[in-house]
Amino acid sequence: QVQLQESGPGLVKPSQTLSLTCTVSGGPISGGDYYWSWIRQPPGKGLEWIGYIYYGGNTEYNPSLKSRITISIDTSKNRFSLQLSSVTAADTAVYYCARDVKEGGLRPAYYGMDVWGQGTTVTVSS
Amino acid sequence: DIQMTQSPSSVSASVGDTVSITCRASQGISSWLAWYQQKPGKAPKLLIYAASSLQSGVPSRFSGSGSGTEFTLTISSLQPEDFATYYCQQANNFPHTFGQGTRLEIK
Repeated sequence: QVQLQESGPGLVKPSQTLSLTCTVSGGPISGGDYYWSWIRQPPGKGLEWIGYIYYGGNTEYNPSLKSRITISIDTSKNRFSLQLSSVTAADTAVYYCARDVKEGGLRPAYYGMDVWGQGTTVTVSS
Repeated sequence: DIQMTQSPSSVSASVGDTVSITCRASQGISSWLAWYQQKPGKAPKLLIYAASSLQSGVPSRFSGSGSGTEFTLTISSLQPEDFATYYCQQANNFPHTFGQGTRLEIK
């Protein structure tokens, strides 16, 4: 079955860029009705949707973070990435990648985020 | 942004009880709603999609209902492994947004 695994530095200095990668195994990242997503959860708080990318390169971002986010995809390596610039302590969180499933066309339907990575903790501190 | 408001924020219940959690959207989202369960230190797990469809492998004691702006997650005959935090999430509009979570605790 499909599995996702986040990787990247656990500590980032303020004002620097946070970079994370999510590697997809057990299935192709290309094709299908899959949108490759990033979600974060600050310590002791709820979930925040960051954005997603389709294998063709189309992206949607959370407007609250849009000026600082880039989500990219590398279909040859079956992985997608998140870059968040100008980080502050407020960006300290567990970052999850997930597969979001939506069907388009004449009868669009939503199937939820059905596969998640285990999450990676990123701390912003000098 | 569409605001998702869950109630209650926390609830205490006993094994064998039935519990319902409500999620209200600040505007209509049709059936573009999912429910997730999260246990401490773990990633969320999809329970319900399209408001009322049970994700494969999820026990049938979990059920979802509603459309438009009001949705309900019901857990029947609570089991010890069900004590966790539950989130609703809408995917009708960008940005996708989550409710603040409902913590289900053992009484």
